[in-house]
Amino acid sequence: GQNIDQPTEMTATEGAIVQINCTYQTSGFNGLFWYQQHAGEAPTFLSYNVLDGLEEKGRFSSFLSRSKGYSYLLLKELQMKDSASYLCAVLHDRGSTLGRLYFGRGTQLTVWP
Amino acid sequence: DGGITQSPKYLFRKEGQNVTLSCEQNLNHDAMYWYRQDPGQGLRLIYYSQIVNDFQKGDIAEGYSVSREKKESFPLTVTSAQKNPTAFYLCASSTPGLEGNYGYTFGSGTRLTVV
Repeated sequence: GQNIDQPTEMTATEGAIVQINCTYQTSGFNGLFWYQQHAGEAPTFLSYNVLDGLEEKGRFSSFLSRSKGYSYLLLKELQMKDSASYLCAVLHDRGSTLGRLYFGRGTQLTVWP
Repeated sequence: DGGITQSPKYLFRKEGQNVTLSCEQNLNHDAMYWYRQDPGQGLRLIYYSQIVNDFQKGDIAEGYSVSREKKESFPLTVTSAQKNPTAFYLCASSTPGLEGNYGYTFGSGTRLTVV
């Protein structure tokens, strides 16, 4: 089975840094995605990690440790527009489920002024 | 511009009626997916298709049906057997990337409300 865990809600203030954690247990692994989703809209791609380590992309960074089944998304210099749900998703790598994404429940981030 | 189009954006249905949600892509992607999203539930997979004329059930397929007669199209029918159909429905397509990752593209979603 697949189990992907992330906190339900987080809050932070403008200009701050926030780290959203994701832990996973899956029977096959071909990488981990982070998506941002505003209410009523489609998810938008933020990052993809398949090797251990940190990937930095502007204000957003994502980290992966495959041995620990752990990832985090780091958001720096928070802005009000960063208020959204952040989805962690694991890409499956084998058999009939090759290419399937398994999603966590999402972390609702609220940024206060 | 290539993309994936879902229609309609909002849909109202009376109880007991079947309704079909449209999903069309011009990205030449092989795989297509239907997800359902409820508050606090994340995205749950309904059906997916990795190739034309073939599809598999996802985790919550009961009360839904699909077809994949063309590569570009993957319509979802919500039948009267689906007990709680009010939700936000997302369609996606994907294809293996150069690095082996499957770049997903999502449609803008259809919000279905049963009245």
